[in-house]
Amino acid sequence: SQTIHQWPATLVQPVGSPLSLECTVEGTSNPNLYWYRQAAGRGLQLLFYSVGIGQISSEVPQNLSASRPQDRQFILSSKKLLLSDSGFYLCAWNQGGVGQPQHFGDGTRLSIL
Amino acid sequence: GENVEQHPSTLSVQEGDSAVIKCTYSDSASNYFPWYKQELGKGPQLIIDIRSNVGEKKDQRIAVTLNKTAKHFSLHITETQPEDSAVYFCAASAPLGQLTFGSGTQLTVLP
Repeated sequence: SQTIHQWPATLVQPVGSPLSLECTVEGTSNPNLYWYRQAAGRGLQLLFYSVGIGQISSEVPQNLSASRPQDRQFILSSKKLLLSDSGFYLCAWNQGGVGQPQHFGDGTRLSIL
Repeated sequence: GENVEQHPSTLSVQEGDSAVIKCTYSDSASNYFPWYKQELGKGPQLIIDIRSNVGEKKDQRIAVTLNKTAKHFSLHITETQPEDSAVYFCAASAPLGQLTFGSGTQLTVLP
């Protein structure tokens, strides 16, 4: 069966420091991959999605970037974190095609001090 | 783009009663409507989904109904239990489009 892993589960970083969050999927190949941010326990905002290695689409302008160096690996990065980057970051995957359900990891709680 | 509105934002029910959460969407081309349950500190878990060629789908105590004409869909939970307490999200997507989520409903089942 397919599984999705995100780490770390929690992270506390100072303003201006870099960021790297990792997400990997097992048990499938060529998945679509997604990064979401969730503020205050509600409302998932799509940040990036990828349909293949090296293919990244950005949904909102921001201080973050994403990369997909391998088929089942998705990385969320920042060179310099802002206070506003605090939140709950969720990775998700689905198979390509119309109307395929997305499956989420358990997220990373990021706090910026 | 798609816009999904979800109501109510909070819902409290007595254990054993039914709970109904409603969502409306704006894009008439949307054809896929999943529902997610999110427990505290966890990622959302898919609990049921429906496609536009179906009006209703049921899985044990959970059912979803879809009215394409009115562009709304609803989640029904019967015989609620304390473990049903969580935040529930609806979502919609059009062909070749991304999922757009509602703002969530905090469901509390009172013992």
